[in-house]
Amino acid sequence: SYELTQPPSVSVSPGQTASITCSGDKLGDKFACWYQQKAGQSPVLVICQDSRRPSGIPERFSGSNSGNTATLTISGTQAMDEADYYCQAWDSSTRDVVFGGGTKLTVL
Amino acid sequence: QLQLQESGPGLVKPSETLSLTCTVSGDSITSTNYYWGWIRQPPGKGLEWIGNIYYSGRTYNNPSLKSRVTISVDTSKNQFSLKLSSVTAADTAVYYCARLPRYNFDYWGQGTLVTVSS
Repeated sequence: SYELTQPPSVSVSPGQTASITCSGDKLGDKFACWYQQKAGQSPVLVICQDSRRPSGIPERFSGSNSGNTATLTISGTQAMDEADYYCQAWDSSTRDVVFGGGTKLTVL
Repeated sequence: QLQLQESGPGLVKPSETLSLTCTVSGDSITSTNYYWGWIRQPPGKGLEWIGNIYYSGRTYNNPSLKSRVTISVDTSKNQFSLKLSSVTAADTAVYYCARLPRYNFDYWGQGTLVTVSS
């Protein structure tokens, strides 16, 4: 079965840039998206179709996807960005959905 | 504004069947633009996709759960449902329903905690 791998944790200082990676075989051939989940809340879609920001998501969130790696970048990270982040891919042939294991972002 | 609301028992005994319903408001479940899905999250752990359903009734399920999962749709009530059979403590999780416009889940319910315990 298809697997997505994320680092368990990433730390960043306020105002700096945070990058969270998601790796999977030929992930660049699929659409990747990213969810933010704060404690006790439902996940929120922050990046879809590799790099599109849904309405209401701040411009500091951006995404890219190429080769075997998708990356979520948060520029000018704020304390409110501290959360768990999950990548997700969709297999167009099987319609299967796969989530990465999640990355805890800490803003120190 | 689209809203999804999960409902069902919060406690299920081992070996029994977990049953949940997701009620959709603010959009029609018969829209040809969307799938509707179930995702779960064990306490302190990550997200796990359970399966999706199209309004026609066509389902796509996680291969690791496939034999235990049944997802159905009731278009007259604008609802879709999940049944997970032969549950064990490992099925204890927050269960979410969500809308899937093909590539990703854009709207999620608030989630409901289901505990498997005797």
